[in-house]
Formats: sequence, structure tokens, C-alpha cells
Amino acid sequence: QSVLTQPPSVSGAPGQRVTISCTGSSSNIGAGYDVNWYQQLPGTAPKVLIYGNGNRPSGVPDRFSGSKSGTSASLAITGLQAEDEADYYCQSYDSSLSGYVFGTGTKVTVL
Amino acid sequence: EVQLLESGGGLVQPGESLRLSCAASGFTFSSNAMSWVRQAPGKGLEWVSRINDIGDNTHYTDSVKGRFTISRDNSKNTLYLQMNSLRPEDTAVYYCAKARGSGSSTSYYFDYWGQGTLVTVSS
Repeated sequence: QSVLTQPPSVSGAPGQRVTISCTGSSSNIGAGYDVNWYQQLPGTAPKVLIYGNGNRPSGVPDRFSGSKSGTSASLAITGLQAEDEADYYCQSYDSSLSGYVFGTGTKVTVL
Repeated sequence: EVQLLESGGGLVQPGESLRLSCAASGFTFSSNAMSWVRQAPGKGLEWVSRINDIGDNTHYTDSVKGRFTISRDNSKNTLYLQMNSLRPEDTAVYYCAKARGSGSSTSYYFDYWGQGTLVTVSS
């Protein structure tokens, strides 16, 4: 149902770098709308990690970074830590739907 | 400290109604757009509705248009979601979220979220 596609899961060992892709289309990411990323720890509400494609709110470690190109965006986590185990969602705006859209979500597992 | 506290969830039968509330504090509520986002059990996030700062502009996802109504009372710092003709597929945790962005509302992201309230629609 979601118009933004993410891999269901990614994993990595502590200290490694992982990336999560978010693939959209010409009516959302490709139209130039900003991409935002959220982290949802088990049993809690989502928390914004990245806004405006690559900006971090205060308090978010610089291990998290975001980028956007064409109809896709990516979230990178460097120096993976156990506390990074969570679900991650991208979000943008879609002009065809006239509303905000979330990605399908990616579960990050720290091995 | 920004706080968003949802209430009003519960178990209802298909076709019934429910009104959710979200009490806001710690920021100038009347200056910010707000949204409702829901998450079905074990599923991903789905944006439901948005209202502008003064409450005269609203938007909805297609699946709730004509059934849900978002509103706000800036004198009470409270956001509402009136849900009518509820369906089993509306079962979800409903989050109230503060919207933030520069310029157009198309740039909005959600910088603060409540803890959520569970709505279960079942016979």
C-alpha cells in the first residue's frame, strides 16, 4: 500500500555501517519533496532522526546521516550500536495523493 | 518540554464512532499544524490527517475521507479526531504528532509524537 519502498530488514555487527534505502517515484521523492527519517524503538512512539533530507535534530548522534538522489533516499548508520536495533521509516509528501507518505519500514538488527 | 497526550481509544463495534483527543503542552499549540498518524498491529506507519494552525484547512488520507474529522481547540490546546463508521481495518494505535517545516506544508515532518492510543474495531 505504501508508495515508498524500503527493504524489510538489514543487519550488521557492532561498529559496522549499514544503509537503508527508500525508493519512491516522480510524485514524491522525485518531485523534490523532502525526505525525513524516523526511528521507532520497540513499544515506543517514532522519533525523528533526519529531516529535510540530511539534517539531524539536536541530540541525534552524527552516526546517523541521510541523503537523497533522484527518486530515492538513504539513511546510513555508522558505528552500529546495540541500541540502534529498531524499526526505521522514511517519510515524504506525495502530490498524487495530496498527503504525507511513509515508507514500508526496515527492521535493523545488530548481530 | 513538549508533551502530547492522547486519550479516547478503546474497543468499539464496526459502524460505531469514537473521538480521540490529544492534549498538548510545552509549545505554542496555536502556531503549529498537527497530524494524526496510525499504526495497525505489527504494521507500518500511516498518515491519517492534518490540520493547520488555525483549524481552517484540513487534509485526509483517502481511506478515511468522509468518515473521520480532524479539529482543534486552540483555547484548550487540544487536537481531536472524530471517527465515524469505524471499520475493522481502522484498528490501530493512533498517534498525535506535531508538524514542523519551512515554507509549504509539503515540507512538513513530525518532530514530536504522543505515546499513542489504541483503537480496536471488532464485533
